[in-house]
Amino acid sequence: DAGVIQSPRHEVTEMGQEVTLRCKPISGHNSLFWYRQTMMRGLELLIYFNNNVPIDDSGMPEDRFSAKMPNASFSTLKIQPSEPRDSAVYFCASSLQGRDGYTFGSGTRLTVV
Amino acid sequence: GDSVTQMEGPVTLSEEAFLTINCTYTATGYPSLFWYVQYPGEGLQLLLKATKADDKGSNKGFEATYRKETTSFHLEKGSVQVSDSAVYFCALSQGNLIFGKGTKLSVKP
Repeated sequence: DAGVIQSPRHEVTEMGQEVTLRCKPISGHNSLFWYRQTMMRGLELLIYFNNNVPIDDSGMPEDRFSAKMPNASFSTLKIQPSEPRDSAVYFCASSLQGRDGYTFGSGTRLTVV
Repeated sequence: GDSVTQMEGPVTLSEEAFLTINCTYTATGYPSLFWYVQYPGEGLQLLLKATKADDKGSNKGFEATYRKETTSFHLEKGSVQVSDSAVYFCALSQGNLIFGKGTKLSVKP
């Protein structure tokens, strides 16, 4: 298995632009998580899905952020409009049985200028 | 709510020294516990896990024992190497995965 695949690896965009981050979970996994990592705040859970259904989005910072999972093999995290304070590394992770561990993607480093 | 507290770093050790990184948790149920490692510029990798009380997780010379009575899951290694330099995260899972703030380890030759 290729693992959790995220794209792009790096994204540089101007303030106000729309940004879409993509994630392909491991085939057969039924849970998907989006995290954000910054030096100041560490790892923050933004949202997670179970069987393609959003379960907890309380970590989504504001309405500018939205996430979808149209099918079991694809998820997106969108920021519209983007702001400099959104600059961070965004990780996607998937799991089959949460108690057994989660597999992380390599992350997308987002820079908003 | 559920939370994880781990010792703040950075931790700097000489090669072959003994490592302990403390981790305690707060949870209403019976979570699974994990240690993840993040090497510079990379994503998080699962290092070891324990799913119930008194379980010991181990991998690559690292160990941690799930202690329900002290709500702890301390990470240990008997002899660290330069290649162990990374950030280590303690985490618990009861549906979602909750991380501690991470501890940066630097091992000097």
